[in-house]
Amino acid sequence: QVELVQSGAEVKKPGASLRVSCKASGYIFRDYYVHWVRQAPGQGLEWMGWLNPNSGGTDYAQKFQGRVAMTRDTSINTAYMELNKLTSDDRAVYYCARGGPRTSLVQSYPMDVWGQGTTVTVSS
Amino acid sequence: EIVLTQSPGTLSLSPGERATLSCRASKSISSSSLAWYQQRPGQPPRLLIAGSSSRATGIPDRFIGSGSGTDFTLTVSRLEPEDFAVYFCQHHTISLWTFGQGTKLEVK
Repeated sequence: QVELVQSGAEVKKPGASLRVSCKASGYIFRDYYVHWVRQAPGQGLEWMGWLNPNSGGTDYAQKFQGRVAMTRDTSINTAYMELNKLTSDDRAVYYCARGGPRTSLVQSYPMDVWGQGTTVTVSS
Repeated sequence: EIVLTQSPGTLSLSPGERATLSCRASKSISSSSLAWYQQRPGQPPRLLIAGSSSRATGIPDRFIGSGSGTDFTLTVSRLEPEDFAVYFCQHHTISLWTFGQGTKLEVK
């Protein structure tokens, strides 16, 4: 079955960098976009950006531009999200989610499969 | 930027009742770009409805999406115990995916 498995919980200090991994299985990793979405405690969902695993192309939400990088390693079917200069406002659960097929417009599809989430705490 | 406003914030109903959740967009959007998700406590969101009215794979037919323009609705025809959760609508367009703030469906 289609599955996204994320790396474990992280505790970071303010100013540090975060890297979360997302390993895909059950489908051809290169063929579907991967989105990253976060959810602060008790809050709603916030889209951070997407990655085209085939080309490595990305598009980031304006709020995170300059501070986020989404990459992939196709040899191990894994996507990564790196977020720099962490503050207490970055405390959240971070999700990866599969988007639509790369042969279609990325904006034409919602997110159909989600990872289990990675809890990130930022504290001095 | 399109803002999605969901109402009510909390909906208290009993199993077997009908739930009607609203998602209003700040400007008219394409029906094909509106999705609904369910999130149970401690779990990731689950796609319920794509394209405003198409159920995702494995979603029971008691979940019904409808609407167009600025007003969209998710109806759960007969609530099951597992349906009590938070529901989010989402608009997806180039370079921006936005979510509503959510409606919590709780047991009365």
